[in-house]
Amino acid sequence: QPVVTQPPSASASLGASVTLTCTLSSGYSNYKVDWYHQRPGEGPRFVMRVGTGGIVGSKGDGISDRFSVLGSGLNRYLTIKNIQEEDEGDYHCGADIGSGSNFIVFGGGTKLTVL
Amino acid sequence: QVQLVESGGGVVQPGESLRLSCAASGFIFRNYGMHWVRQAPGKGLEWVTVIGDDGSVTYYADSVKGRFAISRDNSKNTLYLDMNSLRLEDTAVYYCAKEFAHGDHRFDYWGQGTLVTVSS
Repeated sequence: QPVVTQPPSASASLGASVTLTCTLSSGYSNYKVDWYHQRPGEGPRFVMRVGTGGIVGSKGDGISDRFSVLGSGLNRYLTIKNIQEEDEGDYHCGADIGSGSNFIVFGGGTKLTVL
Repeated sequence: QVQLVESGGGVVQPGESLRLSCAASGFIFRNYGMHWVRQAPGKGLEWVTVIGDDGSVTYYADSVKGRFAISRDNSKNTLYLDMNSLRLEDTAVYYCAKEFAHGDHRFDYWGQGTLVTVSS
């Protein structure tokens, strides 16, 4: 059973940069991960998909150029540059397993606080 | 523009049933697989179930298999989730989500969610 792990929290000052990490369990290094941003009281919003070669496909509608991704081994990274207040919220990553009872496996989410 | 609007949430007792609906607009509903994803209070997202574009293929998370049933009515642009034998741990906000394209399991649009509370 695949597992996806995220640190529960992160923080960064306004205008700074932050990198969020999503870690896949052993044996899943070839899997792609989707990043979603969720503000309080709202549904999640697609940011972008990342594999070991970087971004897969296009960013979500209206996602700023300040957002970028990298993939390495079991880790999938989301970097936000020049952080703005609207970037605050929960960031979820989900691994696309694609079948069976583990169709999509999400991590626990990282709560990003903008200081 | 794409809109997904969930409804049907509420407060029920353990063992009871509930039907959620997701009304879709702004895209050709019958061409896309659709999912339900839930989020327990203060927790992360949990994938629940998926249905293919024509309704012939479905998958379920182990936590709901045998109790929940996903279906769709392409003539009404509506997705459903029938939840039976509800448990305390089913308490969550339930979101419907649209696939990016056929076989592409990125969720490009989500609804605002509907809250299901199972409490004795």
